[in-house]
Amino acid sequence: KAGVTQTPRYLIKTRGQQVTLSCSPISGHRSVSWYQQTPGQGLQFLFEYFSETQRNKGNFPGRFSGRQFSNSRSEMNVSTLELGDSALYLCASSPGQPITGELFFGEGSRLTVL
Amino acid sequence: AQKVTQAQTEISVVEKEDVTLDCVYETRDTTYYLFWYKQPPSGELVFLIRRNSFDEQNEISGRYSWNFQKSTSSFNFTITASQVVDSAVYFCALSESESGGSNYKLTFGKGTLLTVNP
Repeated sequence: KAGVTQTPRYLIKTRGQQVTLSCSPISGHRSVSWYQQTPGQGLQFLFEYFSETQRNKGNFPGRFSGRQFSNSRSEMNVSTLELGDSALYLCASSPGQPITGELFFGEGSRLTVL
Repeated sequence: AQKVTQAQTEISVVEKEDVTLDCVYETRDTTYYLFWYKQPPSGELVFLIRRNSFDEQNEISGRYSWNFQKSTSSFNFTITASQVVDSAVYFCALSESESGGSNYKLTFGKGTLLTVNP
């Protein structure tokens, strides 16, 4: 069974640009959640989607957005990039219940903002 | 105040030593879930264990064991006879609904970097 796939794995952007990250969950999983990992702030919850609906959102500015498609694949978008957005962005999927059970993580997308 | 506190930033041990990673949490919910995840250098978090707030039974899985104590709001993780392959960052996490609804949010501790030296 294929794991959670995140693309791209690495990317470099400049301030002011926007970026879209993609996450393909494990087949059959309907819940996808996103996390930002930085050395200073650690792992922080961004948002969670279940059956194409955003169920919960962390404390991030409106520049961070996401969506989930009917096939459960998810994308997150960061607009008007800032230096502080440099981070490892992790996606996780789970079969059904939102964030009360085991999460399966991808290897992440490492974003560098110059 | 942090909801999940992992006071140990880094721990270094010699192979075969036992090591305990501490985790203290804070929540007002009566129903919540606690987790431990391992993050090796590759970056992918690996699930180790989940406990719900109604199950205080300790658990042992091979060299790993977990001690959940609601009275002290702690969920500590012990590795017995550590091995070099145990070297990783370990995260404790809390899932709670905050508003008491069905939408849960996961909060991670800052993590503990464990280095097991040969």
